[in-house]
Amino acid sequence: DSGVTQTPKHLITATGQRVTLRCSPRSGDLSVYWYQQSLDQGLQFLIQYYNGEERAKGNILERFSAQQFPDLHSELNLSSLELGDSALYFCASSGHLARDEQFFGPGTRLTVL
Amino acid sequence: AQTVTQSQPEMSVQEAETVTLSCTYDTSESDYYLFWYKQPPSRQMILVIRQEAYKQQNATENRFSVNFQKAAKSFSLKISDSQLGDAAMYFCAYHSGTYKYIFGTGTRLKVLA
Repeated sequence: DSGVTQTPKHLITATGQRVTLRCSPRSGDLSVYWYQQSLDQGLQFLIQYYNGEERAKGNILERFSAQQFPDLHSELNLSSLELGDSALYFCASSGHLARDEQFFGPGTRLTVL
Repeated sequence: AQTVTQSQPEMSVQEAETVTLSCTYDTSESDYYLFWYKQPPSRQMILVIRQEAYKQQNATENRFSVNFQKAAKSFSLKISDSQLGDAAMYFCAYHSGTYKYIFGTGTRLKVLA
């Protein structure tokens, strides 16, 4: 158990819909990262938050947005969903030092029908 | 900008044999960390080993060791006495603390009985 929790585990929805994925980081970690992993593909970095503020942005679509709340949990909002958005979405947390590893949650599997 | 390259999409190794996974990176920073993560079929990401750029000594964790060549910007992972449980996707990652984690595209390792 990495200490990072993600809900829900699975999500099935239709095209055009909007969903929210939730992540609670490991206790004490201020950084939260979101990744998208399509079937048998690598990790696509979406966005990073540090202590409530956006720190880095990757290949995140305009239809996607995220935020980190004062209690440090984070939410990833996906709207106007398309079939191609079906993927495993990971949240990871880490400390602020370069040596700090990322602890990954179990992921949310999103299926868009 | 920093980049991480894994040029081997897939590798195979016989059980009990040794295999080396390659990773190269590009950066202009002098202080950074490199990581190898393992993603088994369960999809849970697990840290295998980390290496600090300032340390010349190669990191070792049981059957896993790295060959870190800073001048060549190479960071390969050697797995000795391969076991069936080593079958997974392996990702190389870079982190300097000043920016996001950067992951390679991954190498799928198959272990043959």
